[in-house]
Parts: sequence; C-alpha cells; structure tokens
Amino acid sequence: GENVEQHPSTLSVQEGDSAVIKCTYSDSASNYFPWYKQELGKRPQLIIDIRSNVGEKKDQRIAVTLNKTAKHFSLHITETQPEDSAVYFCAATDSWGKLQFGAGTQVVVTP
Amino acid sequence: DAGVIQSPRHEVTEMGQEVTLRCKPISGHDYLFWYRQTMMRGLELLIYFNNNVPIDDSGMPEDRFSAKMPNASFSTLKIQPSEPRDSAVYFCASSLGAGGTEAFFGQGTRLTVV
Repeated sequence: GENVEQHPSTLSVQEGDSAVIKCTYSDSASNYFPWYKQELGKRPQLIIDIRSNVGEKKDQRIAVTLNKTAKHFSLHITETQPEDSAVYFCAATDSWGKLQFGAGTQVVVTP
Repeated sequence: DAGVIQSPRHEVTEMGQEVTLRCKPISGHDYLFWYRQTMMRGLELLIYFNNNVPIDDSGMPEDRFSAKMPNASFSTLKIQPSEPRDSAVYFCASSLGAGGTEAFFGQGTRLTVV
C-alpha cells in the first residue's frame, strides 16, 4: 500500500524567509497530491494540490513541485508570515481514491 | 451545503463503554473517509467508503472498531469496548469522485476514554 514520508517534522523560520517541506511516496499509481494546513484545534484544510500530469503549480506565496520519477513532491512557502504558522500535511491519492497523509510538519514563523 | 458534519464534537466515556461517532458527508460526495489523529501517529486512515461500500478497512486497529455507511448521507464509527488508548480526535472527510479531488474534513470528534 501507499506510504507517505514527510520531512522535516518541525520547521522554524524567520518572518519573510522561505519554508520548504518535502514528501516522498511509494505507490507509483498515486496520481493526486494535495497539501493541507491545520491550525491548532481546527480541521485540516486544502491549500494547494497537484496532479501527476503536472510538474509545478503556484498560488500566490505557495508552490508545489512534483517529481514523478523520484516520487518526490515539495511545498514551498515564500515570504512567510506569522499566520503561516500551523501544521502542514502532504498526502497522496491512488487510483482507487485512497487518501494517505504524511506525518505532518509543524511550521513556526517568528516575527 | 453546510459541509461535513460530525457529532458529537466532544465525547468523554469510561473504559469499556461503547462509543458511536457520526458523520454526514457533503451531499453528492461519493467517497467518505474516517481518520484518527494523535500526536504520536498523526492522521491515520482507518477506513474509506465509495458509494457506501467499504473499500479498504486495513487501517482499522482492532476488531473493537467497526464502521458502517447505511446510506449516502450517513456513516458511523463504533468502538466497543473503548479503551484509554482510543483517546484521539476522529475526523470524517468526504470527496467527489475518484483520486484527484479535494477531500473536505468535518470538525472532528475529540474522544476521551477514562
């Protein structure tokens, strides 16, 4: 079955700097890679996603890249702000619709 | 649509008691997922349904856990008997279509077994 690995587990950045979170997946049949943000005490919410036929996608300060050959995908947040502080989860969905999450990355943005 | 609705929001129960968590997915969504979230294990997929049929329950930790989806608008996750190590936040999520669509999460049920 699918196994999603996520690194780092915690990430501290200065406000204005960039943050990068990396994930790997094991199932070559996976075709959809969403990223979720979870604030303390709240539900996970989608922030960006990418499909297997696309290598890169950008939405304002966030971008995601996908390397299908290496089974890697990454989240990039530029010009970080205090409100970016949260737990971020990568995930992968296979062709059967199974959605598996990575372990999460606690991002702390310090002013 | 009001989104994915879970009840109760909080549940405190004694060890050995039966616990039933409820979920109403977004209307029209044909996939429903149950996740358990803890600090130690993150977001674990317990089971998921497609068109009310369980597709993969390999994440269900023990026979004490069971899930049903009697119709397209309702699902339950039952723990019987409950144990302190079952304490966690349980999330239900739903999505439209096969892989490649956003999964929307409910607000979760925080379960405490004492």
